[in-house]
Amino acid sequence: DAGVTQSPTHLIKTRGQHVTLRCSPISGHKSVSWYQQVLGQGPQFIFQYYEKEERGRGNFPDRFSARQFPNYSSELNVNALLLGDSALYLCASSLDGSSGNTIYFGEGSWLTVV
Amino acid sequence: GQNIDQPTEMTATEGAIVQINCTYQTSGFNGLFWYQQHAGEAPTFLSYNVLDGLEEKGRFSSFLSRSKGYSYLLLKELQMKDSASYLCAVRDNPPGANNLFFGTGTRLTVIP
Repeated sequence: DAGVTQSPTHLIKTRGQHVTLRCSPISGHKSVSWYQQVLGQGPQFIFQYYEKEERGRGNFPDRFSARQFPNYSSELNVNALLLGDSALYLCASSLDGSSGNTIYFGEGSWLTVV
Repeated sequence: GQNIDQPTEMTATEGAIVQINCTYQTSGFNGLFWYQQHAGEAPTFLSYNVLDGLEEKGRFSSFLSRSKGYSYLLLKELQMKDSASYLCAVRDNPPGANNLFFGTGTRLTVIP
């Protein structure tokens, strides 16, 4: 079975541009979360979605938005990119939105803003 | 606020045992995860503790004391490939059940 898949794996954008990152959870998993990991730091929570509804939001500006589709895949959108948005963006999936489920991460999308 | 502390770096010898500690102060608690992350790669799940005590899985064991806000990851028979960052993460209470708060990670270097 495929794990959590993310695309693209690497991308370079210019300040002010917009980016869309995509994630497909493990088959059967209905909950998807997004994390930002800056070099040398642990991942920071951005969003959680379950059954297409936002279940949680971290301390990120409104430039960050996300959505979940009927097939449980998800997109993370970032507008008006800043240099500080350069990071590894991780998608995580779990079976559902309840506790007790293991959380698995994808390989991530490396975003460089120049 | 949420606060998760781990040592920044550790060094251990191949074949030895190493213990990586994690202390946490969070507003909610619904389990503690340990992940391994090699440089340039995504975190890989190692262990999950929600009740007090020791969970053993091969060369890796994880311990939790909820009353002390403390966990450790124990790695036995260290191998060179164990050189990586080890991330401690606490899960918040539902409904944010996937809301993990991470420490900055402990970079472990295994030397011959």
